[in-house]
Amino acid sequence: ETGVTQTPRHLVMGMTNKKSLKCEQHLGHNAMYWYKQSAKKPLELMFVYNFKEQTENNSVPSRFSPECPNSSHLFLHLHTLQPEDSALYLCASSQDYSPDEQFFGPGTRLTVL
Amino acid sequence: RKEVEQDPGPFNVPEGATVAFNCTYSNSASQSFFWYRQDCRKEPKLLMSVYSSGNEDGRFTAQLNRASQYISLLIRDSKLSDSATYLCAVNGDYGGATNKLIFGTGTLLAVQP
Repeated sequence: ETGVTQTPRHLVMGMTNKKSLKCEQHLGHNAMYWYKQSAKKPLELMFVYNFKEQTENNSVPSRFSPECPNSSHLFLHLHTLQPEDSALYLCASSQDYSPDEQFFGPGTRLTVL
Repeated sequence: RKEVEQDPGPFNVPEGATVAFNCTYSNSASQSFFWYRQDCRKEPKLLMSVYSSGNEDGRFTAQLNRASQYISLLIRDSKLSDSATYLCAVNGDYGGATNKLIFGTGTLLAVQP
């Protein structure tokens, strides 16, 4: 439960707001991920950071801006979002950027009004 | 064809029943396969990795069929606590990123008393 933490757990924002999601992992992992999970859709990989370097950006709109100041922390900065961006945003980490077990945080449930 | 496909269910089974889920994948070059469990409004957690020779963990058995490109999860003697969504995840050379995990939409299992 405490391996990967995310704050806030719930967020409601208007389309003109700016907010940030925070993720912290206490597992000593080198890779961190942002996923979006919408109802009836599979988990969508958004960004990957490996040793603080962004290695993947899955054609995510620029209104989502990731930041990885160190290998333990990951942020997702949000601005001028759309209602269709409402979803569960999950952070995950893994030992390395390899197809091994990923540990997920509890997620931030985002609602855009 | 979707990269990773699962029957969304729901699978409604009585306690004690045996239930099996399949997950098909489109890329024959995929090398790593996983089953995750996601409880309602919670994050996904790794249930088991799927090895070529198949693997068993208590009441759970995972198998890989490379020829037909699917993985399966068998749950024996279902418990009420097994009720959850089961996600399969597959890696492979999707768009050149071999370490990327692609998730299915998940199969919902509801075990009835």
